[in-house]
Amino acid sequence: SQKIEQNSEALNIQEGKTATLTCNYTNYSPAYLQWYRQDPGRGPVFLLLIRENEKEKRKERLKVTFDTTLKQSLFHITASQPADSATYLCALDISGYSTLTFGKGTMLLVSP
Amino acid sequence: DVKVTQSSRYLVKRTGEKVFLECVQDMDHENMFWYRQDPGLGLRLIYFSYDVKMKEKGDIPEGYSVSREKKERFSLILESASTNQTSMYLCASRQGSSNYGYTFGSGTRLTVV
Repeated sequence: SQKIEQNSEALNIQEGKTATLTCNYTNYSPAYLQWYRQDPGRGPVFLLLIRENEKEKRKERLKVTFDTTLKQSLFHITASQPADSATYLCALDISGYSTLTFGKGTMLLVSP
Repeated sequence: DVKVTQSSRYLVKRTGEKVFLECVQDMDHENMFWYRQDPGLGLRLIYFSYDVKMKEKGDIPEGYSVSREKKERFSLILESASTNQTSMYLCASRQGSSNYGYTFGSGTRLTVV
C-alpha cells in the first residue's frame, strides 16, 4: 500500500542551527510534493511545492529537495528561530485525483 | 490573501444529532476539501469537490455527506453523529490547477457526547 513516512519523534535543535526534516514515500511516483506548517489547534499553512523535475527549491530560509529515485524529500530551515517551532507536514497526490495525502508530520522544537 | 472560514471553532453535539459544518472561501477557488485530523492518524480526506454541485468521496466518507450549492461554500454533514466522529475537522480550498497549495481554515473541533 502507498505510504508517506515522516519521523514521528520530535526534532529538537538550538536556535541558529539548520533543521532538516525527512519525508519518505513508497509505491508511487508523484508529480509534485508539498510541505506545510501546522501550529497547535490551527489549520496547516502551505509553504512550498516542488515538482518531480525540480531537484531543489528555496524560499527565504527554507529549502526543499526532491529525490524521485530515493523517493525522499528533505526540508531544511536554515538559521532556525524559536518561532519556527511547529509541526511540519509533507503531502503528495497519491490518489491520482489531484487530492493530497498527508504524512503524519514531524514536530520541530527550536530552543533559544 | 485567500481566506477560508469555518463557521465554528468548537462544537459539542449529542450522539444521533445531525451536524452541519460550514466552510466558505472568498477567492473563487474551484476545488474544496474536507479533512479530519486525529492524533496518530494525521489528516484524512473525507470528501472533495471540483465544482458546484459536484462531489467525490475521499478515503473515509462513511457517515458523512457534503453539499456544494454555491462555489464559495462547501458543507460537511454528519447525518447521525457518533462518538467516533469526535475530531478536528479542516476545510481547504485550492485554485483549479494542482500546481497550487491548499489554503486551510482554522478548523472546527467537534466533540460528540
